[in-house]
Amino acid sequence: DTGVSQDPRHKITKRGQNVTFRCDPISEHNRLYWYRQTLGQGPEFLTYFQNEAQLEKSRLLSDRFSAERPKGSFSTLEIQRTEQGDSAMYLCASSLVREHNEQFFGPGTRLTVL
Amino acid sequence: SQQGEEDPQALSIQEGENATMNCSYKTSINNLQWYRQNSGRGLVHLILIRSNEREKHSGRLRVTLDTSKKSSSLLITASRAADTASYFCATTSGGGNKLTFGTGTQLKVEL
Repeated sequence: DTGVSQDPRHKITKRGQNVTFRCDPISEHNRLYWYRQTLGQGPEFLTYFQNEAQLEKSRLLSDRFSAERPKGSFSTLEIQRTEQGDSAMYLCASSLVREHNEQFFGPGTRLTVL
Repeated sequence: SQQGEEDPQALSIQEGENATMNCSYKTSINNLQWYRQNSGRGLVHLILIRSNEREKHSGRLRVTLDTSKKSSSLLITASRAADTASYFCATTSGGGNKLTFGTGTQLKVEL
């Protein structure tokens, strides 16, 4: 399978714990995006990378959130001191660099904070 | 924040009928894209229409774009049960690459 993969698919954690998610993009894609989706809503942009550089962050991305893409390939999204409001589906997407870019999405990681 | 809204929020039709969904957005755009989401396959890109285009076709899909009204519509012809999913419009604008999604339309196609 050469699509975008995410791990884990599901994560249940207790409030206050730290969690880390991983995203592996399509291999030749140099752009990688993170989105968050809550029930009944469309995905909301969190941040994106071009190669290893983080080029934009949403104001939704509080200082408890950090994302990295150290070698310009896979990316991690860490949430520290999780809160119940962090419960959501976290989606990763990748694309090529071009003017009208189609983003390819992974299956997502569903986070439940108890 | 969401770029805009989609209408209707939910739509139920019989197999073989056409389904039309509408999307409104708030700011000027570079392009508008439609995505489908179901539990089995996640978000799948369907079609992209550029801001200087008015209509585009892909198989059973027809998309229109009216930039003066800041709206788009997605028509699915001869619907199938497998078309049951949530459909989202998403826009890019300015120099950014992020997608700004609408609130989605839940389509149910019944046999």
